[in-house]
Amino acid sequence: EADIYQTPRYLVIGTGKKITLECSQTMGHDKMYWYQQDPGMELHLIHYSYGVNSTEKGDLSSESTVSRIRTEHFPLTLESARPSHTSQYLCASSQIHGETNYGYTFGSGTRLTVV
Amino acid sequence: GEDVEQSLFLSVREGDSSVINCTYTDSSSTYLYWYKQEPGAGLQLLTYIFSNMDMKQDQRLTVLLNKKDKHLSLRIADTQTGDSAIYFCAELDRGASKIIFGSGTRLSIRP
Repeated sequence: EADIYQTPRYLVIGTGKKITLECSQTMGHDKMYWYQQDPGMELHLIHYSYGVNSTEKGDLSSESTVSRIRTEHFPLTLESARPSHTSQYLCASSQIHGETNYGYTFGSGTRLTVV
Repeated sequence: GEDVEQSLFLSVREGDSSVINCTYTDSSSTYLYWYKQEPGAGLQLLTYIFSNMDMKQDQRLTVLLNKKDKHLSLRIADTQTGDSAIYFCAELDRGASKIIFGSGTRLSIRP
């Protein structure tokens, strides 16, 4: 079944550690996105990609980095985690065919806590 | 830039209808969406409407679009406890080829 997967679901990590949040999709979508979600619900776009070897920064400045070496894989890395990085991280993908856009498909999210 | 606004909270009695409202700024939006987020989960696409439509109905869900006022609403008939969630309104920003999300409306159901 075509889907989008995020691992881990929950992560508690110490300050200064390097972490990578994984996101994979099996739908062959070109576009992929990372959002950071506040406890107060609002979504902030931090990175996106239009395809292999394409990565762009989003609307919210983030200390994280991303890579897109394969269509299906879009990992997000924090080189040195800080308590301010504590948040829910959501990955999404989409495909646009001409004028048609059926929206984004989201993963279940990774809840990151930095202590 | 483009913006999508919606109220933060809505409380309804079980069995009543819920109406969640949203306004958007991009008059050239071709697609508008409603997403649902349950606790601890990602966003799930509930429904979408194309801009040349005024209304779309899918079982208990009715979406109304007023293009003149740039107003979108989601009506949930016979609201159940399982409808408790955060509902996000969103529009397609064609220029940026991205979807712009509102801040979300938290729907709570009282007995």
